[in-house]
This record gives sequence, C-alpha cells and structure tokens, in this order.
Amino acid sequence: GNSVTQMEGPVTLSEEAFLTINCTYTATGYPSLFWYVQYPGEGLQLLLKATKADDKGSNKGFEATYRKETTSFHLEKGSVQVSDSAVYFCALSAYSGGGADGLTFGKGTHLIIQP
Amino acid sequence: EAQVTQNPRYLITVTGKKLTVTCSQNMNHEYMSWYRQDPGLGLRQIYYSMNVEVTDKGDVPEGYKVSRKEKRNFPLILESPSPNQTSLYFCASSGPDTQYFGPGTRLTVL
Repeated sequence: GNSVTQMEGPVTLSEEAFLTINCTYTATGYPSLFWYVQYPGEGLQLLLKATKADDKGSNKGFEATYRKETTSFHLEKGSVQVSDSAVYFCALSAYSGGGADGLTFGKGTHLIIQP
Repeated sequence: EAQVTQNPRYLITVTGKKLTVTCSQNMNHEYMSWYRQDPGLGLRQIYYSMNVEVTDKGDVPEGYKVSRKEKRNFPLILESPSPNQTSLYFCASSGPDTQYFGPGTRLTVL
C-alpha cells in the first residue's frame, strides 16, 4: 500500500536558519505529493504540491521538488521565521491528476522557531 | 469564501452515549472524508464519500458511521463511543486541486 515517511520532530531552529524537512514515499503509479501545514489550534492548510516528477511546488518561501528516482519530496526554506512554527505534514494522493481525494499522510513534523 | 465547518469544536462525553459531529462544505464538492489525528500517528482516514449516498471505509472505520444524504453535509456518528475514540477529528472536502479541511473537533470520551 501507499505510505509516507517524514522525519521525526520536534525540529528546533533559530530564526533565519535554513530548513529541511525530509519526506519519502512508497506508492504505485504516479502519485501527487503535498505538504500541508497545521498552525496551533487550526485545521490543515495546503502549503504546496507537485503532481509529476521533477515538478517543484513553492509557496510562502517554501519549496519542494518531486524526485521520483529517490521517491522523495523534501520541504525547504532558506530563512525561517517565528511565524513558521507549526506542524508540517507530507502527504500523497494516488490520483495523478492532482486531485486530493484520498490522502495518505506522514506522521507530521513539529517545527519550532526560536527568536 | 470556500469553507468547511464542523460542530461542535469541543466535546466531552461519556462511554456509550451516542454522538454526532456535523460537517458541511459550501463548495459543491463530491468527495468528502473524515480523519482522526493522534499524537505520533498523524492523520488517518476514517470514512470517505464519493458522492451522495456513496460512502466507504477508510483505514480506521471501526466504531464509526457516516451518512451522505445531501452533497454539502457529511456527519460522523459514534453510536457507542469508547475512550479509545478520544482524538482530534477533521472533516475534509476535495476539490480538483486540493483538499480543504475543517477546523477540527476535539473529542474526549470518559
């Protein structure tokens, strides 16, 4: 079956540090890949996505590239801010069209940014 | 504004007392689903619905029921809640590009 593995947290960084959160996946076919963010007390929001190999998703300074050869979708940001503190979820959808019908989630990575 | 609403946001109940968590979306989406979020386990899908009167089990359906009588509503029913159903629940509605999540319902079963 499909699965997503992401690095365990919490990840604690200082403001303006470089961020990488690793995500690897197992899936048949050509899944779409997503990063969701959950701020304290809120639901999940789509941060970025990629629907095919070598696509790069980007939003709010975050980026992730769909690497089919390494089955990875690592999240990066060049300079984090305190407001980026949240839980980040990597997810995949088996539907390559980009729809997000049935998502398989990783366990989430809690990111803490210190001033 | 695209929106998924859930009620109640917080609920404390006792074992065996039937409860319903409502979910409604205003985007005319066909696909809706319910997830539970538990520490160290991430989000797991409970049930999903492809359209009105079409529902199916997700990864962790035991102890839950759903119904889809109208396109906009997808309630989650716990006929006889147990303490292991204490969790944070999210309803979601899928469009062509992304999945919209409700704000969550924190349920405690004593």
